[in-house]
Amino acid sequence: TQLLEQSPQFLSIQEGENLTVYCNSSSVFSSLQWYRQEPGEGPVLLVTVVTGGEVKKLKRLTFQFGDARKDSSLHITAAQPGDTGLYLCAGLASGTYKYIFGTGTRLKVLA
Amino acid sequence: AAGVIQSPRHLIKEKRETATLKCYPIPRHDTVYWYQQGPGQDPQFLISFYEKMQSDKGSIPDRFSAQQFSDYHSELNMSSLELGDSALYFCASSLGLAGSQGDTQYFGPGTRLTVL
Repeated sequence: TQLLEQSPQFLSIQEGENLTVYCNSSSVFSSLQWYRQEPGEGPVLLVTVVTGGEVKKLKRLTFQFGDARKDSSLHITAAQPGDTGLYLCAGLASGTYKYIFGTGTRLKVLA
Repeated sequence: AAGVIQSPRHLIKEKRETATLKCYPIPRHDTVYWYQQGPGQDPQFLISFYEKMQSDKGSIPDRFSAQQFSDYHSELNMSSLELGDSALYFCASSLGLAGSQGDTQYFGPGTRLTVL
């Protein structure tokens, strides 16, 4: 069974601070996606990373896929209250057509 | 732009009843995924369909079944409902199988099922 562990599980920070969320596994994934989910709504895709070592930037968000494609990180610079939400990573399980979601990181940014 | 439509948005059922959840993918999307998300949990993959055929299966109970129809909409049928089935059920659609170019999953707003 391929599992994705996210850390930290909860994070409460002040506006303007930087943070990093980690998504780790002992398994290799063909690709990995990051989502943000608001309460009562479906997850919204932020980025897909495919190549080991790949780095993608989306405004204040920087995503990195590990060289071995077993882990990923999401770094947010100068967090804003609007960044508050549940951040989920999801990996495409090898040899399947399904995405396995990580355990989630609940971020709260205080004004 | 059109998004994934799920109906109903909320559903309340008694134990042992049946429920049918519907998902209408984004136009031209040929792949549909179903996920179950319990309170405070991450989404758990249930089942997916590509071109009306099951493409993969996850932790879907035997009491549940699903299919994708000729117009690409999908229905998740749940029988002998249990209290533990209470959750948010999300449908997502994509163009092409997971792992293919353009396989971005777009999630619907979810159906909140409450079993009493």
